[in-house]
Amino acid sequence: ETGVTQSPTHLIKTRGQQVTLRCSSQSGHNTVSWYQQALGQGPQFIFQYYREEENGRGNFPPRFSGLQFPNYSSELNVNALELDDSALYLCASSLKLASGGYSTDTQYFGPGTRLTVL
Amino acid sequence: DQQVKQNSPSLSVQEGRISILNCDYTNSMFDYFLWYKKYPAEGPTFLISISSIKDKNEDGRFTVFLNKSAKHLSLHIVPSQPGDSAVYFCAASNQAGTALIFGKGTTLSVSS
Repeated sequence: ETGVTQSPTHLIKTRGQQVTLRCSSQSGHNTVSWYQQALGQGPQFIFQYYREEENGRGNFPPRFSGLQFPNYSSELNVNALELDDSALYLCASSLKLASGGYSTDTQYFGPGTRLTVL
Repeated sequence: DQQVKQNSPSLSVQEGRISILNCDYTNSMFDYFLWYKKYPAEGPTFLISISSIKDKNEDGRFTVFLNKSAKHLSLHIVPSQPGDSAVYFCAASNQAGTALIFGKGTTLSVSS
């Protein structure tokens, strides 16, 4: 069983540029969530994808967008980068049950991508 | 406005003793709670969880207690080991499997 992987590990961009971060879900998982962790803070929820559709979004502007692919891997795209976008970006995968009802699917995190915007 | 609060930024404990990490929440709709451990340069690692229908969950050296009336949960680590030194995050959700709301974390240092 493979864990959650993310690429790249580190990235440096300049203000106004665009960036794409990638995440490969844990084997068997169908849901991916993205979080932003600023220095000294806990992770903040950006959005979640379930079966290739957005399934919830946090308080982030539209320049943060995502994709989930049929193999459940995912991308986070950020346009028009700002200095405050500098952070650790984490993706987490989980298995959401299709049958509904109460589900305690735990999210498992990747190692993160450290983005620096200059 | 923080919905999940970890009021102690740091905690120091001696090896073999009990570590107690605390977490308070404000949203009464939260029904699933998790603890994660994070080492530098790694992603958060899932430790233990508890649903609102329980008040205690145990897994080896780790026990989580939930007091719904006080909107408080705690993580007990017994006995503490130097390898437990890390940042511990409390997280909550109001519909299992969607957004996790995290606290700011507590840095635990276990000395030998």
